[in-house]
Amino acid sequence: AQKVTQAQTEISVVEKEDVTLDCVYETRDTTYYLFWYKQPPSGELVFLIRRNSFDEQNEISGRYSWNFQKSTSSFNFTITASQVVDSAVYFCALSIYELTGGGNKLTFGTGTQLKVEL
Amino acid sequence: GAGVSQSPSNKVTEKGKDVELRCDPISGHTALYWYRQSLGQGLEFLIYFQGNSAPDKSGLPSDRFSAERTGGSVSTLTIQRTQQEDSAVYLCASSPRGDRGREEQFFGPGTRLTVL
Repeated sequence: AQKVTQAQTEISVVEKEDVTLDCVYETRDTTYYLFWYKQPPSGELVFLIRRNSFDEQNEISGRYSWNFQKSTSSFNFTITASQVVDSAVYFCALSIYELTGGGNKLTFGTGTQLKVEL
Repeated sequence: GAGVSQSPSNKVTEKGKDVELRCDPISGHTALYWYRQSLGQGLEFLIYFQGNSAPDKSGLPSDRFSAERTGGSVSTLTIQRTQQEDSAVYLCASSPRGDRGREEQFFGPGTRLTVL
């Protein structure tokens, strides 16, 4: 069975601070995919990034960066110079490669509520 | 292009009644998913449809829950004899092919169900 843990329930920062959201996952599968989704107050989940288990390169997209470390089963997300618009709930999720069936059921963490204040 | 749409956006019902929630996936997407988001359980997978294959129902919490997908497009999630613990936001998502785990999913705005 898969499990995703986001130990930080809520984080509050002041605008322009950097913030890192932690994600730790568990799976026995060797091929899997990790995702981050953002859920703003409007409620709709928005895809941010996908990583496969064979690609440990860190990725940077504007103010966002992701650090994937298989050795610690972690896939952390950093926002640099946070802004009020970053306030949302952020979910880390995992799906496994399915040879048959073909779907990707996502196993989600419990989410981290990020509040960015002026 | 249009995203995933869900209706109704809000549904209030009395305990014991049946409810139907509708999802219109992105046109051309063959994979469709239902999830439930509740305070106590977080985001949970419910059911998955891929083309004409038999659905993966492994996440349905009880036999009061069922779903169908007609014509490979629109899907309806039905909850019979609703209970208060069914109160949650029901999210629908779609993806182009399912693609064995690797695809991003596009989520709809959800239906907030309240069972009184």
